[in-house]
Amino acid sequence: EVQLVESGGGLVQPGGSLRLSCAASGFTFSTYSMSWVRQAPGKGLEWVSYIRPDSSTMYYADSVKGRFTISRDNAKNSLYLQMNSLRDEDTALYYCARPLYNGSHLGTFEIWGQGTVVTVSS
Amino acid sequence: QSALTQPASVSGSPGQSITISCTGTSSDVGGYNYVSWYQQHPGKAPKLMIYDVSKRPSGVSNRFSGSKSGNTASLTISGLQAEDEADYYCSSYTSSITLVFGGGTKLTVL
Repeated sequence: EVQLVESGGGLVQPGGSLRLSCAASGFTFSTYSMSWVRQAPGKGLEWVSYIRPDSSTMYYADSVKGRFTISRDNAKNSLYLQMNSLRDEDTALYYCARPLYNGSHLGTFEIWGQGTVVTVSS
Repeated sequence: QSALTQPASVSGSPGQSITISCTGTSSDVGGYNYVSWYQQHPGKAPKLMIYDVSKRPSGVSNRFSGSKSGNTASLTISGLQAEDEADYYCSSYTSSITLVFGGGTKLTVL
């Protein structure tokens, strides 16, 4: 079964850091680009970051650029999101997502995890 | 990276057809055939319903269809059913090499 399982969320103070993980199974992880998408409570979806299959290129939303870092370990079938200088507005459910196509495609998310909740509050 | 514009809500009766619009610019919706639509039920992860403007993933009902004209994409659901009640989001690749979502549309089946 193709599956993505996020972990690492929690409560953190403004200015703090958190590292999210996403464990992939059931497909050849190393051949797919991956992304993080978040959803603030009661709000819509917001794309956060993207990484190519070979980690050669990463892209970020302006709202997180310079604060978040996406990475992956293909040997461990895992995707990560290092979040620094967290703000109240980063509070959200964070999903990792895999595209329909393998390769370097951005978007067209066929597979989603269940999400992990990040709460930034003092 | 302004969000794509969707109506906040639409409604329809069972059996009817509804259309949800998604308006962007020539830098996103109008510039690329990389528009996707997602369905999200409360407490669930989004589900891909349409990709590349008008293609349906395997397993998605043919009651769902997509189209695009200029800077506006549309999702049409025909033969509305109770289980179609959900939030719907469009997304598009952008010229900034980012992805932008619409604000979401709540579909109510009357």
